[in-house]
Amino acid sequence: GQSLEQPSEVTAVEGAIVQINCTYQTSGFYGLSWYQQHDGGAPTFLSYNALDGLEETGRFSSFLSRSDSYGYLLLQELQMKDSASYFCAVPYGGATNKLIFGTGTLLAVQP
Amino acid sequence: DTEVTQTPKHLVMGMTNKKSLKCEQHMGHRAMYWYKQKAKKPPELMFVYSYEKLSINESVPSRFSPECPNSSLLNLHLHALQPEDSALYLCASSQAGGADGYTFGSGTRLTVV
Repeated sequence: GQSLEQPSEVTAVEGAIVQINCTYQTSGFYGLSWYQQHDGGAPTFLSYNALDGLEETGRFSSFLSRSDSYGYLLLQELQMKDSASYFCAVPYGGATNKLIFGTGTLLAVQP
Repeated sequence: DTEVTQTPKHLVMGMTNKKSLKCEQHMGHRAMYWYKQKAKKPPELMFVYSYEKLSINESVPSRFSPECPNSSLLNLHLHALQPEDSALYLCASSQAGGADGYTFGSGTRLTVV
């Protein structure tokens, strides 16, 4: 079956760096996406890695290792507004438009 | 316009009621989706429309009935729901294929009493 595992909670302080890991089992892998969701809000697309390596977008970076079925989201210079849930996601079932989400990581940023 | 708009934001309905959730996007996206999200859980895929045709139904009970009147609109018709159907219902859209990024609406928070 398909599964994406993430740590359930991570706590860090303002200004710090935090890494949120995602390990996946899926058939027909196309790439790994990351989404941010504030409490009560819409999931917001952050990044997409189709190839191995690091993609950087401002304070956020995302990494993928296809051989290890593993990726992570790296958040630098943490701000209070980064407190949210973060989900990795992959297309599954051989269809690029069937997106399955990971278990989710609740990030709490403390002053 | 880079948004997905969902109405209503909140809905309380009885188990014998019929109601509809609405979703609209004007980004020219040709794939639209309904997801269900329970508290502290990830979104779960319900339906996928591609070029206005239903392409995926994730074995959703028939009390949920999707409709795509045109390329900008997506509805979810609700009938005879159960209390366990209470959840946040999210609409999303993407370019056809969509692997590289969905745009989600803020959702309808549904309570079934």
